[in-house]
Amino acid sequence: QVQLVESGGGVVQPGRALTISCTASGFTFGSYGMQWVRQAPGKGLEWVAFISYDGSERAYADSVKGRFTVSRHDSKNTVYLQMNGLRNEDTAVYFCARVRTSYYFDPWGQGTLVTVSS
Amino acid sequence: QSALTQPASVSGSPGQSITISCTGSTRDIGSDNTVSWYQQHPGKVPRLIIYEVSERPSGVSNRFSGSKSGNTASLTISGLQTEDEADYYCCSYVDIDTWVFGGGTKLTVL
Repeated sequence: QVQLVESGGGVVQPGRALTISCTASGFTFGSYGMQWVRQAPGKGLEWVAFISYDGSERAYADSVKGRFTVSRHDSKNTVYLQMNGLRNEDTAVYFCARVRTSYYFDPWGQGTLVTVSS
Repeated sequence: QSALTQPASVSGSPGQSITISCTGSTRDIGSDNTVSWYQQHPGKVPRLIIYEVSERPSGVSNRFSGSKSGNTASLTISGLQTEDEADYYCCSYVDIDTWVFGGGTKLTVL
């Protein structure tokens, strides 16, 4: 079945960097765009980043632009989110999801928690 | 990238119908039919329940329906059941590969 599994979350100090991953299975990974969405504790969903099926297009929310970089490695069925200059307000569960043709997200991974704290 | 506007909470009794609104602008909701809705139970992963404004994925109850008028999209849940108690989020494609979510609505089934 279609499955997405995030990994790499943890506790990191403000200003430091962290890279999280999302590994896909059950579908042709190289045919789909992928995206990252985060959810701060007790808060709503916030779109973070998108990468097209071939990696040629990338987009970011204003809140992370210039600090976060999304990439993909199709031979590993994996999409990454490199997060630099982390801030306390980046603390959240980060979900990856597959982007469908009509611009919706399905399915979602189980999420990985990133905590930025000194 | 301003968030779409949803009511913070709505409530209803079992068997009743409720509607959750999601207001945006001509740049997002009003520009095309790329509104989707997600259900999230506490501590769980968001689940797609509506896409392309009013389409239901297979496996989603026909008690869930979506619509749009101008810059406002709506999610209606009919025949409320206790398991419908969850947070609901609308989402719209904006432009140049960007999206925006609503702030979320907590549904309480009384």
